Amino acid sequence: EVQLVESGGGLIQPGGSLRLSCAASGFSVSNNYMSWVRQAPGKGLEWVSVIYITSGTYYADSVKGRFTISRDNSKNTLYLQINSLRAEDTAVYYCVRETETSYFDYWGQGTLVTVSS
Amino acid sequence: EIVMTQSPATLSVSPGDRATLSCRASQSVKNKLAWYQQKPGQAPRLLIYGASTRATGIPARFSGSVSGTEFTLTISGLQSEDFAVYYCQQYYNWYTFGQGTKLEIK
Repeated sequence: EVQLVESGGGLIQPGGSLRLSCAASGFSVSNNYMSWVRQAPGKGLEWVSVIYITSGTYYADSVKGRFTISRDNSKNTLYLQINSLRAEDTAVYYCVRETETSYFDYWGQGTLVTVSS
Repeated sequence: EIVMTQSPATLSVSPGDRATLSCRASQSVKNKLAWYQQKPGQAPRLLIYGASTRATGIPARFSGSVSGTEFTLTISGLQSEDFAVYYCQQYYNWYTFGQGTKLEIK
């Protein structure tokens, strides 16, 4: 059974940093495209970043230069390092598995990041 | 960036009736369009991909169609568990979501 379990969210001050983790089971993160998608409170969904099987990484313009996606194949875990946090980064962050044709077939339960002083 | 526009923002339908949700792409996305359902406090769930293919385990009352850049999600015989927010997403050129349609009980 495919499972994605995020952790690492919390309350952080503006300008701070946080690392989100996503532990995967039932499949290998190294053999799949993996993305992060976020959802601000009461708002819609926004794609944030993707890491390809080749380890290539891409980011939404809103987070480019501040966020870094990575994975640890030995731990079967996906990460999102988020730096220089802003109030507008407040959101639930979802880890998602992407199919070969690029839609998202499995989602984690999400982890809430709140940026506030 | 491809902009996805969903309508209406809120749709009120009675249980047992049919709901029709729309999603328009600002340019061609071929058939690279997915629909997701999200209930309060839960992660989104994949319903439809490739504009019209139901995901594993999705009931037949959910169907998707396309005409040009206009995509439609139809839910027939609405059941209580279908009242939720629905998002469309294009994955032709990166990934963008519509703003969502809230399906509420009439």
